[in-house]
Amino acid sequence: DGGITQSPKYLFRKEGQNVTLSCEQNLNHDAMYWYRQDPGQGLRLIYYSQIVNDFQKGDIAEGYSVSREKKESFPLTVTSAQKNPTAFYLCASSIASGRRTEAFFGQGTRLTVV
Amino acid sequence: GESVGLHLPTLSVQEGDNSIINCAYSNSASDYFIWYKQESGKGPQFIIDIRSNMDKRQGQRVTVLLNKTVKHLSLQIAATQPGDSAVYFCAEEGATNKLIFGTGTLLAVQP
Repeated sequence: DGGITQSPKYLFRKEGQNVTLSCEQNLNHDAMYWYRQDPGQGLRLIYYSQIVNDFQKGDIAEGYSVSREKKESFPLTVTSAQKNPTAFYLCASSIASGRRTEAFFGQGTRLTVV
Repeated sequence: GESVGLHLPTLSVQEGDNSIINCAYSNSASDYFIWYKQESGKGPQFIIDIRSNMDKRQGQRVTVLLNKTVKHLSLQIAATQPGDSAVYFCAEEGATNKLIFGTGTLLAVQP
């Protein structure tokens, strides 16, 4: 089945550690996005990528890093510089940024700092 | 700057009634709008979209209305069912090609 897969579903991080969240899609989409969602809040854009080997900062990029070496994959690293990383992280993809088509979402990764 | 906001954070309706969820946007250059439904602990699911050259679009039990004059978007759900209970987000896309989300409305359907 075609879709977008995030892993792991739950992730625990110790203070000062970097962790990487996986996002893979087999929809042949050019554009991919990472959002952060806090309890009872909306989605805030962390990073987005319109094409392989290119990405742009969203509204809350500080403390996060991404790479887009393959069309199918857009991993997000939460670094120790992110002071409040506990949140629900959502990855999405769309055919192409600017094409005005809907974005498809993964099921999310819930990150907790312990 | 770009921003999307919702008038009502929580909406409680009786099963079988119609629901109307509202959204205001501030960027007049936005030309594409989407409604998403998010169930607890899951990713958002696409419901319906509308482009700025349209005022109304209908789907199965859902209708989206766009009023560009007052920069307002609404989602109407007919004959609301318990399975419709979720958080609903509107999102906009404009010249920056970023998809910007509002804060969401919790729809609670009472049996």
